[in-house]
Amino acid sequence: DIQMTQSPSSVSASVGDRVTITCRASQVISTWLAWYQQKPGKAPKLLIYAASSLQSGVPSRFSGSGSGTDFTLTISSLQPEDFATYYCQQGNSFPLTFGGGTKVEIK
Amino acid sequence: QVQLVESGGGVVQPGRSLRLSCAASGFTFSNYGMHWVRQAPGKGLEWVAVISYDASNKFYADSVKGRFTISRDNSKNTLDLQMNSLRAEDTAVYYCARKTGNWHFDIWGRGTLVTVSS
Repeated sequence: DIQMTQSPSSVSASVGDRVTITCRASQVISTWLAWYQQKPGKAPKLLIYAASSLQSGVPSRFSGSGSGTDFTLTISSLQPEDFATYYCQQGNSFPLTFGGGTKVEIK
Repeated sequence: QVQLVESGGGVVQPGRSLRLSCAASGFTFSNYGMHWVRQAPGKGLEWVAVISYDASNKFYADSVKGRFTISRDNSKNTLDLQMNSLRAEDTAVYYCARKTGNWHFDIWGRGTLVTVSS
């Protein structure tokens, strides 16, 4: 199975800050990588697919990069509605696997 | 609008069975593969199973293989998950989600809670 390791597990930031979350795959997954945002009590929401493609309707302050085994999600200017938990997910092979999550908290 | 609505969750004793359903609307259901993904209380996301658009292919996580069965009825726009021999560790919110071409999940339901407890 492909293990997905996210770091940090949590980050405290202020509105307007630039936030970067990393995700590392235990083997090469090309660009078969997605990022999701989840707020408490809600379903996850797809933000980025194919490592760097912005899902329709997602604000442009979210961006993704990387290929192979190392990926990043960047929020260029953190907004109040961005405080949530973020997960990466690989779609390279079964079983599909998620990272452990990164909680973005208010500083 | 595009929507997925899960139902069928509840409290069940270990070893018993439960069947979850997911009703799809707002898109051509028969064109899409569909997944089940679960989330234990306070934990991360775990992929459970996927079924192709025409039900010809199904894949399962090792943790549920042989106990859970995914199925669909394209005439009714519904997705099901038959869960047998339930264990305490199956306790989770179960989400149905639509498959994208990149093996990601672009539309999610609100989830249904399954609690396995005596």
